[in-house]
Amino acid sequence: DAKTTQPPSMDCAEGRAANLPCNHSTISGNEYVYWYRQIHSQGPQYIIHGLKNNETNEMASLIITEDRKSSTLILPHATLRDTAVYYCIVRSDSGNTPLVFGKGTRLSVIA
Amino acid sequence: KAGVTQTPRYLIKTRGQQVTLSCSPISGHRSVSWYQQTPGQGLQFLFEYFSETQRNKGNFPGRFSGRQFSNSRSEMNVSTLELGDSALYLCASSWSGVKGNEKLFFGSGTQLSVL
Repeated sequence: DAKTTQPPSMDCAEGRAANLPCNHSTISGNEYVYWYRQIHSQGPQYIIHGLKNNETNEMASLIITEDRKSSTLILPHATLRDTAVYYCIVRSDSGNTPLVFGKGTRLSVIA
Repeated sequence: KAGVTQTPRYLIKTRGQQVTLSCSPISGHRSVSWYQQTPGQGLQFLFEYFSETQRNKGNFPGRFSGRQFSNSRSEMNVSTLELGDSALYLCASSWSGVKGNEKLFFGSGTQLSVL
């Protein structure tokens, strides 16, 4: 079972920041937080991941709380092409563990 | 650099038949994982291969099998197809698959319809 909880859906106005929350209250010290997204009928696309520190790349920023029990994915300027299902995944660093997907958050970017 | 390539993109089969799906990982990647995605169950892990050996397996019946070749290309096979096997089958590759901070890159998938 997925170890994360996400809201089923969110809306965001085009050009505004999209903030997607994720709860992972049972996360262990050696588990990473990953974010993927899936646009309809395509394969999941890697967005960003982190362990303890906040991370930023060309696509998004990942903010992890100090106790690591929750995180937020931030898309700074959402576009219509960011409409997708966003998955927050917790993955162990020990051994070859697969990604366990939950139901994710369906983000709709509205013009 | 080419991404993960899955063939065919679409496939239609009838119940009782078997099917083979193919996946070519990103060049240099040695770990290949397979996932099944259905509207009801979401994305579920099937199995993972590394150096031609199955290293990890999800909770699927024995009708689902796979293999990996020496060039890291992988195939999965589903025998005696059932209507419930209709799904998007996704392949993902990574360098070694052993570290939690290793990204997985997914292909576009094969959409299998069983009639």
